[in-house]
Amino acid sequence: QVTLRESGPALVKPTQTLTLTCTFSGFSLSTSGMCVSWIRQPPGKALEWLALIDWDDDKYYSTSLKTRLTISKDTSKNQVVLTMTNMDPVDTATYYCARVVRGVDAFDIWGQGTMVTVSS
Amino acid sequence: SYELTQPPSVSVSPGQTARITCSGDALPKQYAYWYQQKPGQAPVLVIYKDSERPSGIPERFSGSSSGTTVTLTISGVQAEDEADYYCQSADSSGKVFGGGTKLTVL
Repeated sequence: QVTLRESGPALVKPTQTLTLTCTFSGFSLSTSGMCVSWIRQPPGKALEWLALIDWDDDKYYSTSLKTRLTISKDTSKNQVVLTMTNMDPVDTATYYCARVVRGVDAFDIWGQGTMVTVSS
Repeated sequence: SYELTQPPSVSVSPGQTARITCSGDALPKQYAYWYQQKPGQAPVLVIYKDSERPSGIPERFSGSSSGTTVTLTISGVQAEDEADYYCQSADSSGKVFGGGTKLTVL
């Protein structure tokens, strides 16, 4: 059974750096074709794709947020970490991680999400 | 930046057919995917590669593609299908979501 779970702070201050961890089970990021992605959703708004890392450690970022995002993986711990710098109140959202399998290329399994509020 | 356009809302009565469209210039060249999201829950994949249905998704969910528009069709809509639906595709810059469509079952 594939599961993903997001963890991180519920509240960050403006200008701070957000660090989120996605801990997963049921697959390995060392397996060819496996990827993990981050997506966010501000309250009452649409989904927004943020970043993706694949089994080969290739990384892809949203064009609009590229300068603020870093995605990395720790294969031994089955974790993917997303950092977002210079947080602003408009970054308040639920942040999800999801699995992507090359060949299908869909976000086929999602975590439950973690709500992050940016406020002083 | 690349955009996918969905109608904000669609309403149908139980048992009727709901059609939710998604338009984008790259859709003739890129696959589309559909996700269902109920309040307070994470999205669930209901259609991938335009028209494929993941295991466990009811047969009443189907997808189709024509030119720059893809369509999610829900036949024999049930009350439990009331949710937000998002299309998703990709371009050279990465992955993109539509603005979402709220399906109301009257």
